[in-house]
Amino acid sequence: GAGVSQSPSNKVTEKGKDVELRCDPISGHTALYWYRQRLGQGLEFLIYFQGNSAPDKSGLPSDRFSAERTGESVSTLTIQRTQQEDSAVYLCASSLNFVGGGADTQYFGPGTRLTVL
Amino acid sequence: SQQGEEDPQALSIQEGENATMNCSYKTSINNLQWYRQNSGRGLVHLILIRSNEREKHSGRLRVTLDTSKKSSSLLITASRAADTASYFCATANTGRRALTFGSGTRLQVQP
Repeated sequence: GAGVSQSPSNKVTEKGKDVELRCDPISGHTALYWYRQRLGQGLEFLIYFQGNSAPDKSGLPSDRFSAERTGESVSTLTIQRTQQEDSAVYLCASSLNFVGGGADTQYFGPGTRLTVL
Repeated sequence: SQQGEEDPQALSIQEGENATMNCSYKTSINNLQWYRQNSGRGLVHLILIRSNEREKHSGRLRVTLDTSKKSSSLLITASRAADTASYFCATANTGRRALTFGSGTRLQVQP
């Protein structure tokens, strides 16, 4: 079946503008994750959704960042009043479920490259 | 903060040689996973090893896990130019939903 898709693939915006990034997880995957990756760095966890449970927002760097997910489908990550430091690749991943004691294999989308001028 | 730290940060080898990457972590884990990333975009899952396993194989990949030393290694045998990519280890901690990624090893395989 189809993998995780993200849109747009690239986004260039001006400092201070709001941006919205979209993620379509693999059908049937109950868990959805957002990560941020700055150039040459590893992935930073941002937020996690699991079914209808309250999301884990512990990785969001500021209140300018928010995310929503409707049921077990599409998720949107919104960054308000963007700053140059927000420039990064934003990666979405989904997995079948949260397996007992630890995170299961995650399937990643191609990412959205955000550039804030 | 990054829990897993890969070593080396960059590795350049000739085609046909073996490549070994190491990962160290700090807290107890439920499992450890290795991912590959081409051109700074989406990651591809390579292999998952659980905390009660010591070694796992998948094709040309061999992963070891030493929980007493809190370390793991990824061996790619008979490397190919197509193996050129960044490789990340990621730890799954008991009770935590998200993976914690290291900063990665950039592997360059020269043809």
